[in-house]
Amino acid sequence: SYVLTQPPSVSVAPRQTARITCGGDNIGGNSVHWYQLKPGQAPVLVVHDDSGRPSGISERFSGSNSGNTATLTISRVEDGDEADYYCQVWDNTDDHWVFGGGTKLTVL
Amino acid sequence: QLQLHESGPGLVKPSETLSLTCTVSGGSISSSGRYWGWIRQPPGKGLEWIGSIYYGGTTYYNASLKSRVTISLDTSKNQFSLILNSVTAADTALYYCARHRDLFDPLDVWGKGTTVTVSS
Repeated sequence: SYVLTQPPSVSVAPRQTARITCGGDNIGGNSVHWYQLKPGQAPVLVVHDDSGRPSGISERFSGSNSGNTATLTISRVEDGDEADYYCQVWDNTDDHWVFGGGTKLTVL
Repeated sequence: QLQLHESGPGLVKPSETLSLTCTVSGGSISSSGRYWGWIRQPPGKGLEWIGSIYYGGTTYYNASLKSRVTISLDTSKNQFSLILNSVTAADTALYYCARHRDLFDPLDVWGKGTTVTVSS
């Protein structure tokens, strides 16, 4: 089955840029979605279809996808961005959704 | 604004059946989206898609759980449900329900989740 690999953790100082990667075999050929998870809250879709931004999501969130790596970029990081982030793709081989292992973003 | 809310027993005994319901408010389950899904997160682990149901009734399941899972719709109650048979401690998790507009579309509305513990 298709495997998505994310770094377990990323740390960044406030107002700096955070980049969270999601690796997969030719992931550039798939549409990648990104979710933000905070304890006790409903998960939030922050980027869809590689680089789309849902209504209500800050323009500080952006995405890209090429080759074997998709990237979620958070500009001018704020304390409120501290959360777990997951990437997701549809696996055409097994006909099911696959999530990455998740990345914990820490704001220093 | 569409909202989803999971409910069900927080504790299930090993080998028994886990049953959860997702109640949709702020819109009709028949017209507010075409696919409704379940996702879970075991303690300290990542997200796992369990399966989704099309509003017309067609279901799609994670192959690793397919033999034990049933997802169904109750349009009269604006709810959809998850049944997981023969549970073990490995099924202990935070269970979420969510909507996606099409099978390949992202999960754009989620519930806050409900914790289920499998223990005797």
